[in-house]
Amino acid sequence: DGGITQSPKYLFRKEGQNVTLSCEQNLNHDAMYWYRQDPGQGLRLIYYSQIVNDFQKGDIAEGYSVSREKKESFPLTVTSAQKNPTAFYLCASSSAGAVYNEQFFGPGTRLTVL
Amino acid sequence: QKEVEQNSGPLSVPEGAIASLNCTYSDRGSQSFFWYRQYSGKSPELIMSIYSNGDKEDGRFTAQLNKASQYVSLLIRDSQPSDSATYLCAVFGNNRLAFGKGNQVVVIP
Repeated sequence: DGGITQSPKYLFRKEGQNVTLSCEQNLNHDAMYWYRQDPGQGLRLIYYSQIVNDFQKGDIAEGYSVSREKKESFPLTVTSAQKNPTAFYLCASSSAGAVYNEQFFGPGTRLTVL
Repeated sequence: QKEVEQNSGPLSVPEGAIASLNCTYSDRGSQSFFWYRQYSGKSPELIMSIYSNGDKEDGRFTAQLNKASQYVSLLIRDSQPSDSATYLCAVFGNNRLAFGKGNQVVVIP
């Protein structure tokens, strides 16, 4: 089955810890994205990558880091510098360069800071 | 002005009626427009894409785009209880997708 997988589904973190959220896709999409969703809010872009070994900051990149070593994978690290990390994290992918830019989402990771 | 605005509060519609959702956007250079459906606790699911002025129909869903008025809407005909969800409007421009906060739809049997 083609799709986007995210793990873990739920993640609990103590204050001061870094955690890494996994995102993998087998859709052969070039572009991948990380969003954050807070209750009652729209999605906010954290980072995106249009090609392997390259990525750009989104609107709320502070306290986060990413890597794109493989086309299929785009992990997100939530660092201890992120002041309020409790949120629903969504990974998406799309065909880069396409005018239409339809983005498809993984199932999400719900992060809670204890 | 917010990039993408969805101002309506929760929308309650009787089963079988038409649900109408509206969205405005600020960037006149926006190229592509999307509606996502998000069930509680789940990730967004793409249900409609529209790229040119006019209407686009897909099953019970119709998207309407008016670039001059910077306005995009979604109609859900013959609403079903399974349509109860939050609907997110998204607009692509400046190399990224901007989302509205969403509109909750509740279909009453």
